Amino acid sequence: AQTVTQSQPEMSVQEAETVTLSCTYDTSENNYYLFWYKQPPSRQMILVIRQEAYKQQNATENRFSVNFQKAAKSFSLKISDSQLGDTAMYFCALGPGQFYFGTGTSLTVIP
Amino acid sequence: GAVVSQHPSRVICKSGTSVKIECRSLDFQATTMFWYRQFPKQSLMLMATSNEGSKATYEQGVEKDKFLINHASLTLSTLTVTSAHPEDSSFYICSANPTGLMYQETQYFGPGTRLLVL
Repeated sequence: AQTVTQSQPEMSVQEAETVTLSCTYDTSENNYYLFWYKQPPSRQMILVIRQEAYKQQNATENRFSVNFQKAAKSFSLKISDSQLGDTAMYFCALGPGQFYFGTGTSLTVIP
Repeated sequence: GAVVSQHPSRVICKSGTSVKIECRSLDFQATTMFWYRQFPKQSLMLMATSNEGSKATYEQGVEKDKFLINHASLTLSTLTVTSAHPEDSSFYICSANPTGLMYQETQYFGPGTRLLVL
């Protein structure tokens, strides 16, 4: 079975600070992909970052980076220089094909 | 790139009526589209996987006769909620995998449709 676990229901961070969101997963597949999606109050799901499991190098997208620990099945998201617009629900997902989502982490950036 | 639209964005209907929601990939073709339902402050729940030209695959517990899915072209999938009842009120989201493009394993999401059944 494939599962994704996000153990932090809510988090907060001061503006301009750095925050890390945790995600662990389980899969028996060899070729898989991991994703972080952001869902702001508008509820539009926005792709933040993706990681191919066969790549050892951690993905980065501007202020967003991941720490992918394949052996530990861990895929955390680091947001640097947090901005007010980063306030949103963040979902970790496992693919490809049918996605398996975590329960989400509600992040609030405090001015 | 990889934009998905949904129409309508919100709909209010009377109990017993049917509602159709459209999901379109605007700048790419999508062999596979997905339909999700999301309750407030919860994660996305997959309802069905829609494949162009074939019958949709429904998740366990989802009534296929109530939630009709049609994927007639590579850019359009529709979800029809038949004989809607108040318990069908929810936020419905579609997503699509771009076919033949670099990130074809990635799902790109529509903005969602808020359905309220009175």
